[in-house]
Amino acid sequence: GENVEQHPSTLSVQEGDSAVIKCTYSDSASNYFPWYKQELGKGPQLIIDIRSNVGEKKDQRIAVTLNKTAKHFSLHITETQPEDSAVYFCAAILSGNTPLVFGKGTRLSVIA
Amino acid sequence: GAGVSQTPSNKVTEKGKYVELRCDPISGHTALYWYRQSLGQGPEFLIYFQGTGAADDSGLPNDRFFAVRPEGSVSTLKIQRTERGDSAVYLCASSQGDEAFFGQGTRLTVV
Repeated sequence: GENVEQHPSTLSVQEGDSAVIKCTYSDSASNYFPWYKQELGKGPQLIIDIRSNVGEKKDQRIAVTLNKTAKHFSLHITETQPEDSAVYFCAAILSGNTPLVFGKGTRLSVIA
Repeated sequence: GAGVSQTPSNKVTEKGKYVELRCDPISGHTALYWYRQSLGQGPEFLIYFQGTGAADDSGLPNDRFFAVRPEGSVSTLKIQRTERGDSAVYLCASSQGDEAFFGQGTRLTVV
C-alpha cells in the first residue's frame, strides 16, 4: 500500500519569509495529492491539491509542486503570516474515492 | 449542511464502556471516511463507506470497532469495551470525488 513520508516535522520561520514542506510517496500509481492545514482543536482543512497530470499549482501565497519521477511533492508558502502557524499534512491517493494516506505532519510556526 | 458535523465534540468514558460517535456528512456526498488521530500524528484510516456499504474496513484495529451508515448519510462509529489506548481524536470526512472535507473531530478520552 501507499506510504507517505513528510519532513520536516517542525519548521520555524520569520514573518514574511517562505516555508517549504516536502513529502515523498511510495506508490507510483497515486495520482492525487492534497495538502491540509490543521489548527488546534479543529479538523484538517483542505488548502490546495494537485493531480499527477500537472507539475505545479498556485493559489495566492500557496503553491504545490509535483515530481512524478522522483515521487515527491512540496508545499510552498510565501510571505508567511502568523495566521499560517498550524500543522500541515500532505496526503496521497489513487483517485477514485479511495482513502487518503497522510504524512505525519509539519508544525509550522511563523514568528512575528 | 454546510460542512461535516461530528458529535459529540468531546467524550470522556470509563474503561470498558461502550461509546458511539456520530458523523453527519456534507449533503450529497456518497463517500464517508473515519480516521483516528493520535497526538502528534497524522490521521490514520479506519473505514470507508461508499453509500451504505463499507467499501474498505481494513483500518479497523480489532473487532471492538464497528461502523454503520444505514441510509447512506449519517454514520456512527461504535467502540465496545473501550480501552485507554482508544483515546484519540476521531475524524470523519466526506467526499464526492477526490476532495475530502473533514469535520472538527470527536476527542475521545478513556479513563
